[in-house]
Amino acid sequence: DAGVTQSPTHLIKTRGQQVTLRCSPKSGHDTVSWYQQALGQGPQFIFQYYEEEERQRGNFPDRFSGHQFPNYSSELNVNALLLGDSALYLCASSPTSGFSSYNEQFFGPGTRLTVL
Amino acid sequence: QKEVEQDPGPLSVPEGAIVSLNCTYSNSAFQYFMWYRQYSRKGPELLMYTYSSGNKEDGRFTAQVDKSSKYISLFIRDSQPSDSATYLCALGGSYIPTFGRGTSLIVHP
Repeated sequence: DAGVTQSPTHLIKTRGQQVTLRCSPKSGHDTVSWYQQALGQGPQFIFQYYEEEERQRGNFPDRFSGHQFPNYSSELNVNALLLGDSALYLCASSPTSGFSSYNEQFFGPGTRLTVL
Repeated sequence: QKEVEQDPGPLSVPEGAIVSLNCTYSNSAFQYFMWYRQYSRKGPELLMYTYSSGNKEDGRFTAQVDKSSKYISLFIRDSQPSDSATYLCALGGSYIPTFGRGTSLIVHP
């Protein structure tokens, strides 16, 4: 089992551009959550997808959007990039959704996004 | 005041020491408590979670929760250089989880 995989590993973009990050969940998991981790900070919840729908959302603007595919993989899209969007973006998968999913989630290695 | 406070460290200890890592929180609605370990350039790895006050032990790790004081701890016995990492507490309830900023632990031989 490859666990949670994310691509790309690193990405450099300029302000105003758009970016798409990808995540494949652990085998048997159907729920995907995305987090933003700034340097020296803990992860901040962006949103969670289950059954191809956004189920919960953290305090992030609409520039952050996502998608989940029928095979449970997921994408995170960020439009109109700002310098402050530079961070490690983490994907986590779990076998359940909602309240109980957060203590069963497995994280991927993350995508490091640098916005210049 | 942040919902979850965690000293960033670094905390440097000799191999074999007992390590104590702590978080305080302000929201009494938090119902479950987790500890993650994050190695450099890796994603967080869940170490322990608990729903109740008291202690929970797993090998060299013990998680302790004191809801009355809004204080949680992770103890590591017989610490090893391989334990060197950032340790994140995370708290949740009916809400999405809230993470502390992490404490950097260095165990030197």
